[in-house]
Amino acid sequence: DSGVTQTPKHLITATGQRVTLRCSPRSGDLSVYWYQQSLDQGLQFLIQYYNGEERAKGNILERFSAQQFPDLHSELNLSSLELGDSALYFCASSVGGRSRGSAEAFFGQGTRLTVV
Amino acid sequence: AQTVTQSQPEMSVQEAETVTLSCTYDTSESDYYLFWYKQPPSRQMILVIRQEAYKQQNATENRFSVNFQKAAKSFSLKISDSQLGDAAMYFCALRVLSNQFYFGTGTSLTVIP
Repeated sequence: DSGVTQTPKHLITATGQRVTLRCSPRSGDLSVYWYQQSLDQGLQFLIQYYNGEERAKGNILERFSAQQFPDLHSELNLSSLELGDSALYFCASSVGGRSRGSAEAFFGQGTRLTVV
Repeated sequence: AQTVTQSQPEMSVQEAETVTLSCTYDTSESDYYLFWYKQPPSRQMILVIRQEAYKQQNATENRFSVNFQKAAKSFSLKISDSQLGDAAMYFCALRVLSNQFYFGTGTSLTVIP
């Protein structure tokens, strides 16, 4: 168990709909990352937050948005869904900062989104 | 800009043999971390090993070890005594001080019984 919790684990929805994916980072981790992984593909970085503030943006579509709340949990909102948005969405967390402590990213189990 | 390159999309190894997965990276930063993650068929991302750039000694974790060549910007993963459970996609990753992570495209490892 990585300590990162993602809900829901599976989600099936229709095209044009909107969904929200939720992530609770490991206790003490300030950085949250969102990644998209389509079948047999690599990890596409979407966005990073650090202590509530957006830190970096990757290939995130305008239909997608995210935020990190004061309690450090994060939500990824996907709207006007298309068939091509079907993928595994990972949340990861890390301590953040310039600490030489635990530097790695810990991944949640992912939310498998199927758009029909 | 940071990049991570895995030039071997697929590799295979006989059970009990040794295999090396390649990774090269590019960064202008002097302080960074490198990782290998494993993604088995369950698709869970699991940390295999990590290397701090400021450490010259290569990291080892049981049957997994790395060959870190800082000047060449190379970071290969060696798996000794390969087991069926090692079959997975392996991702090389770079973390810089801004806490951004950069992942390679992955190497799919097949273990042949």
